[in-house]
Amino acid sequence: QKEVEQNSGPLSVPEGAIASLNCTYSDRVSQSFFWYRQYSGKSPELIMSIYSNGDKEDGRFTAQLNKASQYVSLLIRDSQPSDSATYLCRAGNTGKLIFGQGTTLQVKP
Amino acid sequence: KAGVTQTPRYLIKTRGQQVTLSCSPISGHRSVSWYQQTPGQGLQFLFEYFSETQRNKGNFPGRFSGRQFSNSRSEMNVSTLELGDSALYLCASSLGTGETDTQYFGPGTRLTVL
Repeated sequence: QKEVEQNSGPLSVPEGAIASLNCTYSDRVSQSFFWYRQYSGKSPELIMSIYSNGDKEDGRFTAQLNKASQYVSLLIRDSQPSDSATYLCRAGNTGKLIFGQGTTLQVKP
Repeated sequence: KAGVTQTPRYLIKTRGQQVTLSCSPISGHRSVSWYQQTPGQGLQFLFEYFSETQRNKGNFPGRFSGRQFSNSRSEMNVSTLELGDSALYLCASSLGTGETDTQYFGPGTRLTVL
């Protein structure tokens, strides 16, 4: 079992729809979680970090964390073609900086 | 503030050679982490340096090494290059440790081994 797992996709949604990206992690002691976006040929950039159970909203993005079920998700509302990218999830805990494989999102106009 | 910078941006080497990559973190950041990114393996953690000490290490052979200087700049060295070392090498800096703090990535160094 991989320590951080994501569905590689591609996930295809129409413009204006909600895109839902999921990430599960195996290490229960993980305390910090990060979502990054990476455009083709570019380096990852932070979208959001989340540390506590529940939802955290920032504009069109909402991160959801459920430590009991060991998953973290990212919702993108009103998806735009410019959101088309690979989304990387990272779980942080002592000694480990592990990224998931990433989910490729395609937003079709 | 200036972002994370990496030099060189592109590098072509042949098998058996060695290479040194450089990373300058955001001013004030004390942690620098290195990652290897390939299409098949995704983003793989190499190591993290914090205040000149290696804090964490991923599962890479000893051919991969690094160091951090007193000004937080970091270098990564790969000796006896293999074809499989061809990848994008990314460094990321954070204010505190990379485990819990937001990491900011540089543009990467594209290494091609022939």
